[in-house]
Amino acid sequence: GDSVTQMEGPVTLSEEAFLTINCTYTATGYPSLFWYVQYPGEGLQLLLKATKADDKGSNKGFEATYRKETTSFHLEKGSVQVSDSAVYFCALSGGSYIPTFGRGTSLIVHP
Amino acid sequence: EAGVAQSPRYKIIEKRQSVAFWCNPISGHATLYWYQQILGQGPKLLIQFQNNGVVDDSQLPKDRFSAERLKGVDSTLKIQPAKLEDSAVYLCASSRGDRGRGTGELFFGEGSRLTVL
Repeated sequence: GDSVTQMEGPVTLSEEAFLTINCTYTATGYPSLFWYVQYPGEGLQLLLKATKADDKGSNKGFEATYRKETTSFHLEKGSVQVSDSAVYFCALSGGSYIPTFGRGTSLIVHP
Repeated sequence: EAGVAQSPRYKIIEKRQSVAFWCNPISGHATLYWYQQILGQGPKLLIQFQNNGVVDDSQLPKDRFSAERLKGVDSTLKIQPAKLEDSAVYLCASSRGDRGRGTGELFFGEGSRLTVL
């Protein structure tokens, strides 16, 4: 079946450091890809998305590019802030796909 | 636009007791999902409704879990009897439900945290 694999955390960074969280997927065809973020005590909320190959999703300084050749959708940010501390989930969905999530990667940013 | 509403936010019960969670999706969203999120893991789909019909319930433990969406709007998830391993956050999400088209973005509620003692 479809699946999403993302790097284990926690990822611990200092403020203004560069962030990469790796995500790869397994699916037949080309689903839409998503990154969701979960702040402490809150539900998941959409961070960014890409609906087809080579699309780049971006929001709040975060970016991810849909790479069909490597079946990847890595999340990046050039300069993280303490307020970015949260759990990040990679997911696939869209069309007839059952929405499927990775296990989440915790990000901790220190001042 | 009001978001996805869930209640209760927290529930503590003893094993073998029963519990029910309620969810009201965003108005007009045809598709409703219940996910189970165990600490340190990603959300696992329990059941997906399209209007009041079940699209997928392959991972729902049907001997103890049940869910309904009678009028195609709000939904209830029930666990009876509860086990220790059911301790988790139960997330409800909705989407516009344009199955076969659209981008599949999900909108989540804040979740209901269940502790089974």
